[in-house]
Amino acid sequence: QVQLTESGPGLVHPSETLSLTCTVSGFSLTGYSVYWVRQPSGKGLEWMGRMRYNGDTSYNSALKSRLSISRDTSKNQVFLKMNSLQTDDTGTYYCTRDRGDAWGQGASVTVSS
Amino acid sequence: DVVMTQTPPSLSVAIGQSVSISCKSSQSLVYSDGKTYLHWLLQSPGQSPKLLIYQVSNLGSGVPDRFSGTGSQKDFTLKISRVEAEDLGVYYCVQATHFPLTFGSGTKLEIK
Repeated sequence: QVQLTESGPGLVHPSETLSLTCTVSGFSLTGYSVYWVRQPSGKGLEWMGRMRYNGDTSYNSALKSRLSISRDTSKNQVFLKMNSLQTDDTGTYYCTRDRGDAWGQGASVTVSS
Repeated sequence: DVVMTQTPPSLSVAIGQSVSISCKSSQSLVYSDGKTYLHWLLQSPGQSPKLLIYQVSNLGSGVPDRFSGTGSQKDFTLKISRVEAEDLGVYYCVQATHFPLTFGSGTKLEIK
């Protein structure tokens, strides 16, 4: 059974760094790419970036200067780090398998002092 | 970036009616391999998005055949026949032909 689970702090202070982990099961990170998608509160979906099956990364140019995605295949985990957070980064952050056929439950992140 | 224009922004329909949602892209979504990476998602209230249709017209796993997708190049449509109560939520189109992936702004389906 394919599963993805996001984890991380629910609250981040302005200007600090967000660190999220996506733990996957039921498939291999060397066989599928994993995407990060976020959803500002009450708004639509935004693709942030991806960790490809071969270890390469791609980022949304709007976030590229602040975003880093990495992985640990031995732990079946993909990591997202985004710095210089502001209040408009508040929302839900999802990881999803590249086919879009499996999504995590989402990690709710609030940026507030 | 490819702009995905989705209409209408909202719909209110009675159980058993049929509805269509339109999604138009600013560029052709045909990839170099000949495939068209246009997908449809449903986000039910309080839930993560779920894949309904991939590559224009292929039903996702477990998706009832009341859902269908058509279209080509830059113009795509999702049709829901015989709407049921469980169909309420926000529908998104998403293109994965060009990077970055981009989403439509969503269509909120309400049940009368």
